[in-house]
Amino acid sequence: GQQLNQSPQSMFIQEGEDVSMNCTSSSIFNTWLWYKQDPGEGPVLLIALYKAGELTSNGRLTAQFGITRKDSFLNISASIPSDVGIYFCAGQQSNYKLTFGKGTLLTVNP
Amino acid sequence: EAEVAQSPRYKITEKSQAVAFWCDPISGHATLYWYRQILGQGPELLVQFQDESVVDDSQLPKDRFSAERLKGVDSTLKIQPAELGDSAMYLCASSFDFGNYNEQFFGPGTRLTVL
Repeated sequence: GQQLNQSPQSMFIQEGEDVSMNCTSSSIFNTWLWYKQDPGEGPVLLIALYKAGELTSNGRLTAQFGITRKDSFLNISASIPSDVGIYFCAGQQSNYKLTFGKGTLLTVNP
Repeated sequence: EAEVAQSPRYKITEKSQAVAFWCDPISGHATLYWYRQILGQGPELLVQFQDESVVDDSQLPKDRFSAERLKGVDSTLKIQPAELGDSAMYLCASSFDFGNYNEQFFGPGTRLTVL
């Protein structure tokens, strides 16, 4: 099946630092989505990207849909303790099926 | 705020027993998904419904798993008999599809432990 390569697998940063994570694929996707998941909860949608090259912000979060449609990145600026969690990228095909990355575990040290 | 509801939140069962999970999607969302998430991995799609019809169940282990959405609203996922390898988080999601716009919203999940 399709694979999404998400990196890094984990990050340990100080409060106030900026964070960057990315996803790459060998396949083209129509849509890229970024989710955050807290322990024991379902993923929460952060940002959805629909056009190649699109750059979208949601508060301190910024994400981009790669021009090749095979990659996406997520930046978090000025991290705070509540940013702790697992961040997943997901690529979506025309049949709406989502393929998820393996996640990036973010730890923020106050 | 509208949310996807799931129950139970946690289920512990012994292998060979039957288990069932319930999901109520966001009102008005025609598409409903069941995902399985193994610890340390991203969710993987098991089955996708459009109203009451199955759109994709290619990854559903049909010898032991079944899913239904009889009235096109809420849905039930069943495992019979449960095996040790079924221990995972089972997530339900729903979406309102409009052209290319399909944002899937997830419920809190059911954590299944098979002993």
